[in-house]
Amino acid sequence: GQSLEQPSEVTAVEGAIVQINCTYQTSGFYGLSWYQQHDGGAPTFLSYNALDGLEETGRFSSFLSRSDSYGYLLLQELQMKDSASYFCAVSRAAGFQKLVFGTGTRLLVSP
Amino acid sequence: GAVVSQHPSRVICKSGTSVKIECRSLDFQATTMFWYRQFPKKSLMLMATSNEGSKATYEQGVEKDKFLINHASLTLSTLTVTSAHPEDSSFYICSASQPRWGQQETQYFGPGTRLLVL
Repeated sequence: GQSLEQPSEVTAVEGAIVQINCTYQTSGFYGLSWYQQHDGGAPTFLSYNALDGLEETGRFSSFLSRSDSYGYLLLQELQMKDSASYFCAVSRAAGFQKLVFGTGTRLLVSP
Repeated sequence: GAVVSQHPSRVICKSGTSVKIECRSLDFQATTMFWYRQFPKKSLMLMATSNEGSKATYEQGVEKDKFLINHASLTLSTLTVTSAHPEDSSFYICSASQPRWGQQETQYFGPGTRLLVL
């Protein structure tokens, strides 16, 4: 079967750094992507890793280790608006084809 | 950035009726669009991959006769929920990917359609 595990909830304060982990077990792997979703809203694409290593995009960075079937999303200089759910997703075909989403992590940022 | 729209944003219908949801890529051509379903506080589940000019590819367990998908043009895909029942009530989201030469491919999601079947 396919499974992507994430912590269910993470709490942090403004200005802090938080890491959201994702471990996966899927049939086929082309890349790992991350999404942010506010309550009632649509997901927003944050980052994509096809190769091992770190991808940095502003305050957000994403890391992938294919040998460990593991990745994480790093959020720096947390702001209140970062309170949302974060999902990792594995592409089981090239690009964003046949995405399998993780269980999701709810991030709560407090003042 | 690229924009994907969905219409309607919210729909309430009676059990047994059919509902059509439109997904449009507003400023780019999307040869492939994707349809997802999300239950409250749950993850997204891929329902099908919609390819322009050909039949959609459905994920295992998704009834193709119940969820009709049409990709009429490079900017429009539609999902029709036929003979809707209360258990079809959910948040339906479409997405499209935009490959860009020399840059990382990016995926854009529509704002979602909340369907409530009474």
